[in-house]
Amino acid sequence: GAVVSQHPSWVICKSGTSVKIECRSLDFQATTMFWYRQFPKQSLMLMATSNEGSKATYEQGVEKDKFLINHASLTLSTLTVTSAHPEDSSFYICSAQEGQEQNNEQFFGPGTRLTVL
Amino acid sequence: SQKIEQNSEALNIQEGKTATLTCNYTNYSPAYLQWYRQDPGRGPVFLLLIRENEKEKRKERLKVTFDTTLKQSLFHITASQPADSATYLCAFSGGYQKVTFGTGTKLQVIP
Repeated sequence: GAVVSQHPSWVICKSGTSVKIECRSLDFQATTMFWYRQFPKQSLMLMATSNEGSKATYEQGVEKDKFLINHASLTLSTLTVTSAHPEDSSFYICSAQEGQEQNNEQFFGPGTRLTVL
Repeated sequence: SQKIEQNSEALNIQEGKTATLTCNYTNYSPAYLQWYRQDPGRGPVFLLLIRENEKEKRKERLKVTFDTTLKQSLFHITASQPADSATYLCAFSGGYQKVTFGTGTKLQVIP
């Protein structure tokens, strides 16, 4: 199956700093990428949907100025958590799919564990 | 709004038995229903997709059913093995691009 990577796999940062997480599709072109957040013992919550070359669509309640998403190429999307606070500590997971059809399989990355001190 | 419930937070089963996980939803039937496996500290891995007009889908030891009357999907793992121990997530995609996940059922297969 298709492979999606995330970097870093874990990161610890101080409160107030910014953290960038990369999501790459390694062997296919990802027209659409999704960013999710997962708190312990909870399900994945979609944060935003990004299509290559256009602005991301954020879910209700997700601050677009705090969670900056860039999908500059068909193989790379980045999520930047700006001015991170301890409540932003979570497991961030990206997924990627070819095309924009809703029945296209999404391939998930391994996730990034963010801890904000 | 659509609500997805996976009946058990955890399910323990003896090796070799069939594990059955349930996913219930409210409101409208999704166009597509998917099941994923998630291991601790890892991203979900896609297992099966079933469409609204399909009753059943199979893949090796896995079987998914979709009953739009009951608003329910069942996920079966036959001849379960300890390696099947993981959290299983059901997910919906309706008339929109995004996928909505249930909270998951943690399956433990006991040798």
